[in-house]
Amino acid sequence: EAGVTQFPSHSVIEKGQTVTLRCDPISGHDNLYWYRRVMGKEIKFLLHFVKESKQDESGMPNNRFLAERTGGTYSTLKVQPAELEDSGVYFCASSPPGLAGYEQYFGPGTRLTVT
Amino acid sequence: AQTVTQSQPEMSVQEAETVTLSCTYDTSESDYYLFWYKQPPSRQMILVIRQEAYKQQNATENRFSVNFQKAAKSFSLKISDSQLGDAAMYFCAYRSPSPYGNKLVFGAGTILRVKS
Repeated sequence: EAGVTQFPSHSVIEKGQTVTLRCDPISGHDNLYWYRRVMGKEIKFLLHFVKESKQDESGMPNNRFLAERTGGTYSTLKVQPAELEDSGVYFCASSPPGLAGYEQYFGPGTRLTVT
Repeated sequence: AQTVTQSQPEMSVQEAETVTLSCTYDTSESDYYLFWYKQPPSRQMILVIRQEAYKQQNATENRFSVNFQKAAKSFSLKISDSQLGDAAMYFCAYRSPSPYGNKLVFGAGTILRVKS
C-alpha cells in the first residue's frame, strides 16, 4: 500500500511569488489534513478535509492560503503571494473514515523556503 | 483550547539503556486520545504509540510504553533497551474524539540522541 506522498519535497521561492503544494493521501482515506512546522516550533494544524469538503479550516493563517481537494482525492495548498514567514515544513496526513481514523498517516513534508 | 507541552528540547541515552520523554497537556475534555509520533532524520513521521483517555491501563508497544496520569494530565514515553534506530524527533500529540476525524495538537518535540 502506497503511503502519503507530497510534492515537491523542497521549494525555494521569492517573496511575492506563488507556490502550490500537492498531497496524495492513502487510497480510501476520507480524511486529509494539512499541518505546518515553522522555524522549529510546534507543528500547527492548518485544515481538515472530509472527502472534498472542508471540515475545519480554523488553522489557516490568512487568505493568502487556499486549499482544495479535487473529487475527494489529492489536495493542493496554494500560497499566494508568499511571505517570508510562510517558510517552514508543510505536512500532509490522511486517515480512514469514521472511528477507524485514530491514526493519521503522515507524508514526508514539503520544505518551503521564501527568500 | 488544548495545549501540549514537551519540556525537554533534547535528551540523550546510551544504547541499551532506558529513557523517558515527558509530555503534559491541558484540556477540559474528559475523553480524548494521546499519541507519541517519531520522526527520524529526513524521514516521515510515524506513530509510536497511542492511549485512549478512558483506558486506565498504560499502552505498551514492544520496547515503548507510556505512563498516563490522567489527573495530572501527564503522558510520558518510556523507551527501554534503546537502539540506534530510536534516534529521532519525538512529538507528543492530543486529539479530541470525533467520528469525523479531528486535528492533532502537537507539542514542540524532543530530539532524542542515542549514543553507542
